[in-house]
Amino acid sequence: DVKVTQSSRYLVKRTGEKVFLECVQDMDHENMFWYRQDPGLGLRLIYFSYDVKMKEKGDIPEGYSVSREKKERFSLILESASTNQTSMYLCASSFARGTANTEAFFGQGTRLTVV
Amino acid sequence: AQSVTQLGSHVSVSEGALVLLRCNYSSSVPPYLFWYVQYPNQGLQLLLKYTSAATLVKGINGFEAEFKKSETSFHLTKPSAHMSDAAEYFCAVSDGQAGTALIFGKGTTLSVSS
Repeated sequence: DVKVTQSSRYLVKRTGEKVFLECVQDMDHENMFWYRQDPGLGLRLIYFSYDVKMKEKGDIPEGYSVSREKKERFSLILESASTNQTSMYLCASSFARGTANTEAFFGQGTRLTVV
Repeated sequence: AQSVTQLGSHVSVSEGALVLLRCNYSSSVPPYLFWYVQYPNQGLQLLLKYTSAATLVKGINGFEAEFKKSETSFHLTKPSAHMSDAAEYFCAVSDGQAGTALIFGKGTTLSVSS
């Protein structure tokens, strides 16, 4: 089975802290994604990466950055956490486009609270 | 640009009743379409996917969906609801091309009463 593992299920951070959310996948997927989930807003794409060291902005990249130094690992960074970044963060991975296996596989999510 | 609209943020059914969750999409190219389910405090799990093969797609847990190009719809159905089906359901679209990601709808919460 494909496994996408997020480093923490729950995090509580203070305003202004630098926060790292880590995600690792074990299926040699080319693509990795970070989504943010809020009630009534569904999943919104923050950033994605289609190769090592490559990244693309999603719909809501402001206040976030990402890092992909190895194929299996994709990190989301909150440079200076703010209360409006309190949310559920979901990491996902998928095979490269152009194949039928374009579905994304998701981690369990990290519920981040910024106080 | 692609988009997905899920009609109804909350659907309530009785156990044994038909489940119908609506999804309409917008895409300038032939789409790939997906339904995911999310149980409380969990990640998303794939229910089924349409990738231009059969228009009627069968998924896990007795769910199925029909791709209707003329209506730009991909509604999710299940003939008989179980209590365990209570969850949040998301419809998603992709063009399957380089440099794109899945675009999700806002979700529909399904409640099942006994």
